[in-house]
Amino acid sequence: GENVEQHPSTLSVQEGDSAVIKCTYSDSASNYFPWYKQELGKGPQLIIDIRSNVGEKKDQRIAVTLNKTAKHFSLHITETQPEDSAVYFCAANAGGTSYGKLTFGQGTILTVHP
Amino acid sequence: DAGVIQSPRHEVTEMGQEVTLRCKPISGHNSLFWYRQTMMRGLELLIYFNNNVPIDDSGMPEDRFSAKMPNASFSTLKIQPSEPRDSAVYFCASSAFTVLSNQPQHFGDGTRLSIL
Repeated sequence: GENVEQHPSTLSVQEGDSAVIKCTYSDSASNYFPWYKQELGKGPQLIIDIRSNVGEKKDQRIAVTLNKTAKHFSLHITETQPEDSAVYFCAANAGGTSYGKLTFGQGTILTVHP
Repeated sequence: DAGVIQSPRHEVTEMGQEVTLRCKPISGHNSLFWYRQTMMRGLELLIYFNNNVPIDDSGMPEDRFSAKMPNASFSTLKIQPSEPRDSAVYFCASSAFTVLSNQPQHFGDGTRLSIL
């Protein structure tokens, strides 16, 4: 089955700096890669996603890049703010008929210091 | 629009008791997923349904766990009998799956379960 590895497990940055989180996946049939942000006491919330026919996608201060050949994708957050502090998860869909099943990475705890 | 609704938000019960967690997916979504989140194991997929039919329950840890989806707007996850190691946050998520395009999963805010 699909395996998703996420790094780093913790990331600490100063406000205004950029943050990058990287993930690799194993299933070459995967074609959908969402990123989630989880705040304390809440469920994971989708912040951006990318499909395999696109190499990069941006939404204001966040962007995601995808390298299908190398089977890795990354989340980039620019001009970080304290409210960006949260746990971030990457995910990849399972190939074939999986009814939307996702495999999640282990999560990255991002801390943005004012 | 209402998101995924889970109840209760918190549950504290004694070992051996039956626990029932409830989920109302987003209207129109046809796939529903139950997850368990712990510090040690992260986010684990327990079971998922498509059009109310269980597709894969290989993540259910033991026979003490069972899940049902009697209709498109309601699902339950039951633990009987409960054990302290079942303590975790349980999430329900739903998505509008089509064979042409994956759609994102939307999560509820979870049920924090503590078994004493």
